[in-house]
Amino acid sequence: EDQVTQSPEALRLQEGESSSLNCSYTVSGLRGLFWYRQDPGKGPEFLFTLYSAGEEKEKERLKATLTKKESFLHITAPKPEDSATYLCAVQADGGAQKLVFGQGTRLTINP
Amino acid sequence: DAMVIQNPRYQVTQFGKPVTLSCSQTLNHNVMYWYQQKSSQAPKLLFHYYDKDFNNEADTPDNFQSRRPNTSFCFLDIRSPGLGDAAMYLCATSRGIGGVDGYTFGSGTRLTVV
Repeated sequence: EDQVTQSPEALRLQEGESSSLNCSYTVSGLRGLFWYRQDPGKGPEFLFTLYSAGEEKEKERLKATLTKKESFLHITAPKPEDSATYLCAVQADGGAQKLVFGQGTRLTINP
Repeated sequence: DAMVIQNPRYQVTQFGKPVTLSCSQTLNHNVMYWYQQKSSQAPKLLFHYYDKDFNNEADTPDNFQSRRPNTSFCFLDIRSPGLGDAAMYLCATSRGIGGVDGYTFGSGTRLTVV
């Protein structure tokens, strides 16, 4: 069964304090790994898709990386508006190819 | 802007009273999904439509049904809501079953059961 585990569950940082969020996964064959941002009371917003180990993608202060067992979302010099829950999801190759989500990391950036 | 729209944003229903949540999309995506998300938990897939083909997850309770009358609209029917069905319900779409461009989500409907 495909599984996604995110850590930590919650993270509180000061503005400008860089850190990383972790997403560990087990999947029979990885088609893609997705990162989403979710603000309170809203639907997830797509950030990145990663397809193969060694791949990296960047968007503003965010950079996502992928290995064969985990993905990291690095946040550089975060601002209060980066506060949100960050969700990781995997899509297996073959079969229904549905997204399986982790429970998310709730990130709070204090000014 | 092309988007996924869910109505209503907030729904309060009585225990046991049928309720319908709606989702519409202007993306012309052929796959539509319904997820249930409880507080601080991962979104859980209930079912999806690939065009008109309905695909139910094995552990989705019979209490949950869905209809897709056309490409643009999809409905989630909860026949007899229980207190445990209180959650955020998320509709998402993708282009093709692979959805490697990522799913596009609506803003969700927060369901309260009283």
